[in-house]
Amino acid sequence: AAGVIQSPRHLIKEKRETATLKCYPIPRHDTVYWYQQGPGQDPQFLISFYEKMQSDKGSIPDRFSAQQFSDYHSELNMSSLELGDSALYFCASSSGRGAWNEQFFGPGTRLTVL
Amino acid sequence: AQKVTQAQTEISVVEKEDVTLDCVYETRDTTYYLFWYKQPPSGELVFLIRRNSFDEQNEISGRYSWNFQKSTSSFNFTITASQVVDSAVYFCALSEARETGGFKTIFGAGTRLFVKA
Repeated sequence: AAGVIQSPRHLIKEKRETATLKCYPIPRHDTVYWYQQGPGQDPQFLISFYEKMQSDKGSIPDRFSAQQFSDYHSELNMSSLELGDSALYFCASSSGRGAWNEQFFGPGTRLTVL
Repeated sequence: AQKVTQAQTEISVVEKEDVTLDCVYETRDTTYYLFWYKQPPSGELVFLIRRNSFDEQNEISGRYSWNFQKSTSSFNFTITASQVVDSAVYFCALSEARETGGFKTIFGAGTRLFVKA
């Protein structure tokens, strides 16, 4: 069965650079979520989209922005990168945005900021 | 406010031992959902189970079982006859609806399980 696809899987950037992470949800899933997991930390919710509109916002820095496109894929744009942005970024998708819906997680993008 | 507490940071057991991972949650909502995820060394998050707040029936799936008790706000996870492949970080998570119509999911800090051969 198709799973959530994230690209790239690994990304190395310098401080103050920008990065774009991409997420391709499971076909027919209309909701996408972004999480940030720092080293040894639990995943922290950043932002979610439902039917191409922002649904919820968590602890996403102002330097980050995201959107969901007409084909339901989503991109997380990160600017002015800081060392503390180094983390594993997960995308998850679900069918519908209810709290009950199971979120299917992608493999994550590991971002390293040097 | 939501909160998920996994008091056990690390647990180490020998293969074939049973192990219980504790999860205690806080929420003001009457409708909420609880989840367990496994994160093996490869890093991906693997869904294990979900429970809604109205269903306190315990569940067993193979060597895994879950004990949900609203009276103590706990949703504990037991692995019977543990195996080396069970070594991973296990996260308990809580989701509840928000006024926006969406929902918020928060994760506990995770419990790292080491199963030694």
